[in-house]
Amino acid sequence: GQNIDQPTEMTATEGAIVQINCTYQTSGFNGLFWYQQHAGEAPTFLSYNVLDGLEEKGRFSSFLSRSKGYSYLLLKELQMKDSASYLCAVRDTDKLIFGTGTRLQVFP
Amino acid sequence: ETGVTQTPRHLVMGMTNKKSLKCEQHLGHNAMYWYKQSAKKPLELMFVYSLEERVENNSVPSRFSPECPNSSHLFLHLHTLQPEDSTLYLCASSQDSRDLNTEAFFGQGTRLTVV
Repeated sequence: GQNIDQPTEMTATEGAIVQINCTYQTSGFNGLFWYQQHAGEAPTFLSYNVLDGLEEKGRFSSFLSRSKGYSYLLLKELQMKDSASYLCAVRDTDKLIFGTGTRLQVFP
Repeated sequence: ETGVTQTPRHLVMGMTNKKSLKCEQHLGHNAMYWYKQSAKKPLELMFVYSLEERVENNSVPSRFSPECPNSSHLFLHLHTLQPEDSTLYLCASSQDSRDLNTEAFFGQGTRLTVV
């Protein structure tokens, strides 16, 4: 079956680093995406991994281990505006399968 | 502004009404999608259109009927819905449903309430 797991909620302090984990079990794998979604807004693309390793993009980095079915999103130098839901999604052929999302709250 | 526009943003309809959700993308993409997003549940894929042809229908009840007249527009026709269908409906587009490393761009969604 298809299963994507990520923590429901996380909290962190402004300026800190936070890591959001995602584990997946899917019948196919053609890449893993991370999206950010602020309340009442559209999900927006953050990162894409298809090969093992770390992809860095400014304050955000995403890591993938295909053998472990595992990814994480690392957010550095947290800002208040980073408070949002972070969605992990796996592409299985031509479908994007999403996790439930992790709601991150950043406190001053 | 993500390049994908959904209207209306909010809709209240009775169980016997017929209404339509509209999605328009200005990105030149060939694939369009309907998702539903319920509280504490994953985004759930409903329909996929590639080059105006439906390529995926995830066992969605027939009271939801999609239409894709061209690659820029996607509709979701609603008829005799139930209160449990009240949720957020998201439209998305991507370059091609089979182009595996391209991301999907989402609209802001239509918040539907069935009374």
